[in-house]
Amino acid sequence: DQQVKQNSPSLSVQEGRISILNCDYTNSMFDYFLWYKKYPAEGPTFLISISSIKDKNEDGRFTVFLNKSAKHLSLHIVPSQPGDSAVYFCAASVLGNEKLTFGTGTRLTIIP
Amino acid sequence: DTEVTQTPKHLVMGMTNKKSLKCEQHMGHRAMYWYKQKAKKPPELMFVYSYEKLSINESVPSRFSPECPNSSLLNLHLHALQPEDSALYLCASSPLSGGTEAFFGQGTRLTVV
Repeated sequence: DQQVKQNSPSLSVQEGRISILNCDYTNSMFDYFLWYKKYPAEGPTFLISISSIKDKNEDGRFTVFLNKSAKHLSLHIVPSQPGDSAVYFCAASVLGNEKLTFGTGTRLTIIP
Repeated sequence: DTEVTQTPKHLVMGMTNKKSLKCEQHMGHRAMYWYKQKAKKPPELMFVYSYEKLSINESVPSRFSPECPNSSLLNLHLHALQPEDSALYLCASSPLSGGTEAFFGQGTRLTVV
């Protein structure tokens, strides 16, 4: 039972344009959401998070949007850079519970 | 110091071997985790230690045995593994306050032969 899903296994975006990565979840108890970036043979690197009391959080080129009624979140990267090419995982948790549930990942390729 | 350090980076072991994976953090985090990641799959939680006590065991087989000697160290003892246990093993830590941003190490690439 995959509680966090990323329906696009891969995405290609031109350098300088906006990258939009999507994530859906089914467990309505989740109230904290995170995005991680992962290069091959390395551990995931934390990018940005959002709690369910907000619908938007911004950090530099990265913005995360949360739509609680649709159980959907998205990560916007603008402008996209070649170094952004990696696998992106969304993750969800219940605040106060240490367990993170990861999505299936989206491989982002930035085309120079 | 915002690093989680894992050793070794690579490990090849036979099915009758006993080996240990090590993880260290000096961020004062009170939660430490072991995750397992197979190729093209998301990380899967194995164990969580909170305040040096095992708080979550995700029904992991007993051939994997975690140990938390102190608040900075986390070990994973391996014994009688199977080839299907070959994977990237990731250690992570988090502050256990507010959000749960977990910081990950680079992982140990384990191959069981």
